[in-house]
Amino acid sequence: DADVTQTPRNRITKTGKRIMLECSQTKGHDRMYWYRQDPGLGLRLIYYSFDVKDINKGEISDGYSVSRQAQAKFSLSLESAIPNQTALYFCATSATGTYEQYFGPGTRLTVT
Amino acid sequence: EDQVTQSPEALRLQEGESSSLNCSYTVSGLRGLFWYRQDPGKGPEFLFTLYSAGEEKEKERLKATLTKKESFLHITAPKPEDSATYLCAVQSGTYKYIFGTGTRLKVLA
Repeated sequence: DADVTQTPRNRITKTGKRIMLECSQTKGHDRMYWYRQDPGLGLRLIYYSFDVKDINKGEISDGYSVSRQAQAKFSLSLESAIPNQTALYFCATSATGTYEQYFGPGTRLTVT
Repeated sequence: EDQVTQSPEALRLQEGESSSLNCSYTVSGLRGLFWYRQDPGKGPEFLFTLYSAGEEKEKERLKATLTKKESFLHITAPKPEDSATYLCAVQSGTYKYIFGTGTRLKVLA
């Protein structure tokens, strides 16, 4: 079984709809991240969380919110989706004391 | 401004034809440099972490090296299954990771 899972894997939604992307991990890591990936751009950080009570904005947090329901679960919400939020979204984890990140399989989101 | 630049953007090799991918970086306070492999439709897969200039890491046909300004990912005698996008990232703070846009590698049989 995959260590980092994301649901859904693909989603098409309409402008203005609220949508939630979910991430779960079995790696036992305390740190979790949400990134988006666009063609021609590197991965960009949306939000990160170092433990259940710690939530922080990344470089592109406008239009997004997150919830850390448990150490193993981190959800990303788009409050009112817009077409330029069409992208690949990745969840990642890392452990305190190490620096490498482990990524989920991604969610391909299309906003029409 | 922290920045990561990867070159070339795309590379086509014949099977067995060795080559190198480059990752140039400008960052204040490097904590680590990372290489990932990303296959189409999948998330990045961690390959290596390098922490200081002069460090080298190897895994199968891949070898990563680090200087104060750049890192190289050397691919020796590549096979078609090595075809993927290779991403470089640097960590400059507790949470700040800067990713390059990747090198798309295609190895022809």
